[in-house]
Amino acid sequence: EAGVVQSPRYKIIEKKQPVAFWCNPISGHNTLYWYRQNLGQGPELLIRYENEEAVDDSQLPKDRFSAERLKGVDSTLKIQPAELGDSAVYLCASSARSSGSQYEQYFGPGTRLTVT
Amino acid sequence: GEDVEQSLFLSVREGDSSVINCTYTDSSSTYLYWYKQEPGAGLQLLTYIFSNMDMKQDQRLTVLLNKKDKHLSLRIADTQTGDSAIYFCAESKRGSQGNLIFGKGTKLSVKP
Repeated sequence: EAGVVQSPRYKIIEKKQPVAFWCNPISGHNTLYWYRQNLGQGPELLIRYENEEAVDDSQLPKDRFSAERLKGVDSTLKIQPAELGDSAVYLCASSARSSGSQYEQYFGPGTRLTVT
Repeated sequence: GEDVEQSLFLSVREGDSSVINCTYTDSSSTYLYWYKQEPGAGLQLLTYIFSNMDMKQDQRLTVLLNKKDKHLSLRIADTQTGDSAIYFCAESKRGSQGNLIFGKGTKLSVKP
C-alpha cells in the first residue's frame, strides 16, 4: 500500500514569493492534516480536513496561508506571500475514520521550505 | 508550560535498553503516541496507548503509562544503531477529533 505522498520534497524561494505544496493521502483515508515543523520542534497542526471540509483551521494563519481539498482526496497548501519565518518542514498526514484506526495518523516525508 | 515535555537527548550503547520519557499536562488525553523521525524523513508511527491502559508491548517496544503522574515512557529493548532517530511523544485530547500535540522530541544516539 502506498503511503502519503508529498511534493515537492524541497523548495527554495525568495521572500514575498508564493509557494504551494501538494499532498496525496493514503487511499481511503477520509481525514487529512497539514502540520508545520520548525527546526528542533515537534509538528504543529495547521489544518484538518474531514473529506473536503476543513473542520479545524484555527491554527492556520489565514492572512497568507490557504488550503484546499476540493474532491476530498488530494490537498494543496499555499503560502502567499512567503516570509522568512515560514521556513520549516510542512508535513501532511492522513487517517481513516473507522473504529480502532481513526487515530492512527500516517505522515508523508514532508516538504522542506527555505525562504531567503 | 508546554503541553508535552521530553528530554532532548539520550545516548545509549548498542544492545542496551533505551528509555525515553515524556510528561503531559492534560488528564483528558485519550490516546498517547510515540513517533520516530529519521533525518530528512517524515514521522513513523511506532505505537500508541489508550489512556485506560497502563502498559502495551510490541516486539522490542514497551510503553508504560502512569496516569496519576501524567508520565509516558517508551522502552526499546536491545537497542540497535538503526534505532538512532528523534522520538516524539504526542497526545490526543478528548474532543479534539484526533488532533495531535507533540513534544519537541528526544534525539536517541546509539553508540556501537
